[in-house]
Amino acid sequence: GQQVQQSPASLVLQEGENAELQCNFSTSLNSMQWFYQRPGGSLVSLFYNPSGTKHSGRLTSTTVIKERRSSLHISSSQTTDSGTYLCALERTGSFNKLTFGAGTRLAVCP
Amino acid sequence: ETAVFQTPNYHVTQVGNEVSFNCKQTLGHDTMYWYKQDSKKLLKIMFSYNNKQLIVNETVPRRFSPQSSDKAHLNLRIKSVEPEDSAVYLCASSPGGARDTQYFGPGTRLLVL
Repeated sequence: GQQVQQSPASLVLQEGENAELQCNFSTSLNSMQWFYQRPGGSLVSLFYNPSGTKHSGRLTSTTVIKERRSSLHISSSQTTDSGTYLCALERTGSFNKLTFGAGTRLAVCP
Repeated sequence: ETAVFQTPNYHVTQVGNEVSFNCKQTLGHDTMYWYKQDSKKLLKIMFSYNNKQLIVNETVPRRFSPQSSDKAHLNLRIKSVEPEDSAVYLCASSPGGARDTQYFGPGTRLLVL
């Protein structure tokens, strides 16, 4: 089965609303990262967060290893937040390889 | 600021042809990667090089071959393309291994007719 599952698959927000994106994994991991992909664009790293909580502006990432989940919280969403959010993990014993989830497609409407 | 460069941006070709994609990073990183992103946006690693040495080689068809002349360059050649090779090919680099932040190029979109 899929080792990294993201939910929801897609999400539509009104500007100003908050969003909570989930990443659940079925394997032990060495590291967890969150990426943002602009429509038709390249990936940008948001967080390297193997455990605990990290903040960056309006974004917060929380990884709870024993519960095998990581979340990305977007507060006060803006139209420029629209795009695809991907989580990726390096599985234990899988050196130098990231396994990606299928992503959450976010659309923020004005 | 773009520091991982890929060429071409877009390539259309016919089944059976050979194609080559180039990737260069100016970040001084030791590790470079090739990923394939399919039509469903699922990203899968294909190859990883560290200082010109192949360290990850996923199960990809033999017609795919990476080439690295130095640690700043990692090219990808597809010997005889198939329709299922149509995808976006993304190059990335990181200072060390997968636990480091990876920096991605803009991608090369391949369409095989």
